[in-house]
Amino acid sequence: EAGVAQSPRYKIIEKRQSVAFWCNPISGHATLYWYQQILGQGPKLLIQFQNNGVVDDSQLPKDRFSAERLKGVDSTLKIQPAKLEDSAVYLCASSWDGSYEQYFGPGTRLTVT
Amino acid sequence: DAKTTQPPSMDCAEGRAANLPCNHSTISGNEYVYWYRQIHSQGPQYIIHGLKNNETNEMASLIITEDRKSSTLILPHATLRDTAVYYCIVRVATRVEYGNKLVFGAGTILRVKS
Repeated sequence: EAGVAQSPRYKIIEKRQSVAFWCNPISGHATLYWYQQILGQGPKLLIQFQNNGVVDDSQLPKDRFSAERLKGVDSTLKIQPAKLEDSAVYLCASSWDGSYEQYFGPGTRLTVT
Repeated sequence: DAKTTQPPSMDCAEGRAANLPCNHSTISGNEYVYWYRQIHSQGPQYIIHGLKNNETNEMASLIITEDRKSSTLILPHATLRDTAVYYCIVRVATRVEYGNKLVFGAGTILRVKS
């Protein structure tokens, strides 16, 4: 079966610009996650969707980050405006529901200059 | 915060067993032990999980101590492709509690050498 797809794979922007990432989960997976992984650290959950509803966004910096999952399938994560400290890999993952193992995409590497 | 403690790095000879330890002394009765790994420039990959019994699949074995305060992931015949960061995570896994996220620590960097 096809895995989790993400695009773009790489993005370089200047601080204060905006950027958006796209994720297509594995077909039939109800739960979708966005993680931020800073170099040298483990991934940190930003937001979790169950179908098109938000389950957990407690660690999402809501003044600059937003995410949506229209129709309960694809999802986009947006940063506006970007800061230098947002430089990281943004990983998308999906699972059948919140209890089963998560399948990760390859990630988008964001560099903010 | 991560509820587990792992050594920062380990080396293993190719073809030998790799034994990766993890301490989770505050684990609750309804929390599972999960293992993921992350190969360079890829997303994390699920390996195995268990509650209290030892588990084995095509990738690895998971040995959990009787008191459940620690566990060991065993890669029986490590290859160069097993070089990765290995994460040990404790997590409740129930259908109804969707808010139980994976909390990753820094993990163990396993280097398999020829």
